[in-house]
Amino acid sequence: DGGITQSPKYLFRKEGQNVTLSCEQNLNHDAMYWYRQDPGQGLRLIYYSQIVNDFQKGDIAEGYSVSREKKESFPLTVTSAQKNPTAFYLCASSIVGRGLNEQFFGPGTRLTVL
Amino acid sequence: DAKTTQPNSMESNEEEPVHLPCNHSTISGTDYIHWYRQLPSQGPEYVIHGLTSNVNNRMASLAIAEDRKSSTLILHRATLRDAAVYYCILRRIGAGNTPLVFGKGTRLSVIA
Repeated sequence: DGGITQSPKYLFRKEGQNVTLSCEQNLNHDAMYWYRQDPGQGLRLIYYSQIVNDFQKGDIAEGYSVSREKKESFPLTVTSAQKNPTAFYLCASSIVGRGLNEQFFGPGTRLTVL
Repeated sequence: DAKTTQPNSMESNEEEPVHLPCNHSTISGTDYIHWYRQLPSQGPEYVIHGLTSNVNNRMASLAIAEDRKSSTLILHRATLRDAAVYYCILRRIGAGNTPLVFGKGTRLSVIA
């Protein structure tokens, strides 16, 4: 089945450690996105990529890094520079072009910093 | 992006219709109205979108005011599985591959 997978579902890390969240899609979508969600809040954009080897910062990119070496994959690294990383992280993808361009979301990774 | 305003929360009885309002008084002529919903502990999912005319699909209906400054998402018979946060989002025509801008949405509770 086509879709977006994120792993792991739950992730714990010690303060000061970097951690990488996985996002893979087999929908043949060109664009991919990372959002962060805090309790009771809407989603906020961290990074997005419209094509392989290119990405743009979102509203809250500080303390995060991404890569887009393959169309199917858009991993997010939460670095030790991110002051408050505990949150729910959501990855999404969409086609690039005219039209609806519905975004499809993965199931999310819940990161807890101990 | 034009801003949307939604109530923080709403409550409905099961099997009754639900009308979720959204105000977007600064909407431009090239903005589509999109609705997404987020079930508990899941990623958001697309519900419906429209430009000027009312729209229906298998999930919901979208009623758009004549001046387009407000819209209403209609769930015809709420079920417990419809309990979610509903987001009203404006998207400019041709901006489909740009990120969505989420507000806090409306948290819908469905009572059995």
